[in-house]
Amino acid sequence: GENVEQHPSTLSVQEGDSAVIKCTYSDSASNYFPWYKQELGKRPQLIIDIRSNVGEKKDQRIAVTLNKTAKHFSLHITETQPEDSAVYFCAASGLKGAGSYQLTFGKGTKLSVIP
Amino acid sequence: DGGITQSPKYLFRKEGQNVTLSCEQNLNHDAMYWYRQDPGQGLRLIYYSQIVNDFQKGDIAEGYSVSREKKESFPLTVTSAQKNPTAFYLCASSIAGTQETQYFGPGTRLLVL
Repeated sequence: GENVEQHPSTLSVQEGDSAVIKCTYSDSASNYFPWYKQELGKRPQLIIDIRSNVGEKKDQRIAVTLNKTAKHFSLHITETQPEDSAVYFCAASGLKGAGSYQLTFGKGTKLSVIP
Repeated sequence: DGGITQSPKYLFRKEGQNVTLSCEQNLNHDAMYWYRQDPGQGLRLIYYSQIVNDFQKGDIAEGYSVSREKKESFPLTVTSAQKNPTAFYLCASSIAGTQETQYFGPGTRLLVL
């Protein structure tokens, strides 16, 4: 099955700096890659996603890049703010058979933005 | 994500007891999922359902059971066979058959007395 590795597990940045989180996946058939943000005790919420026919996608201060050849994708947050502090999860979705897809999640990155 | 509800917010289980976690959605989604989240871990898939009256095991199904009698509802039972049930349980839904966004409920935190 799919295996997703996420690094780093913790990341501290000064407010205004950029943050980068990287993920690798094992199943070359995976073709959908969402990123979720989870604040303490809350539900994960989608912040951005990318599909395999696209190499990069941006949404304001957030961007995701995908390298299908190397099987890795990254989340970039620019001009970080204290409210960006949370745990971020990457995930990869591949076809599991009978038209069903499963998301496999990384173990998360705890981002702390220091004012 | 506001269209998915989970109850209760906190649940306490005594040894040997089965407990059921509720998940309801009004998004008209065909697919529903149950995940378990432990500290320092990602989300791990317990069970998922693509259609009413059908469901499949995920990566950690042992000690859990589900039913899907209605499109809107996907309850999860944590049985006494699950020896380490303490965790945060998240339900999600998505449009079935396509790689669409999974929307999560607010979660249920299960604790063992």
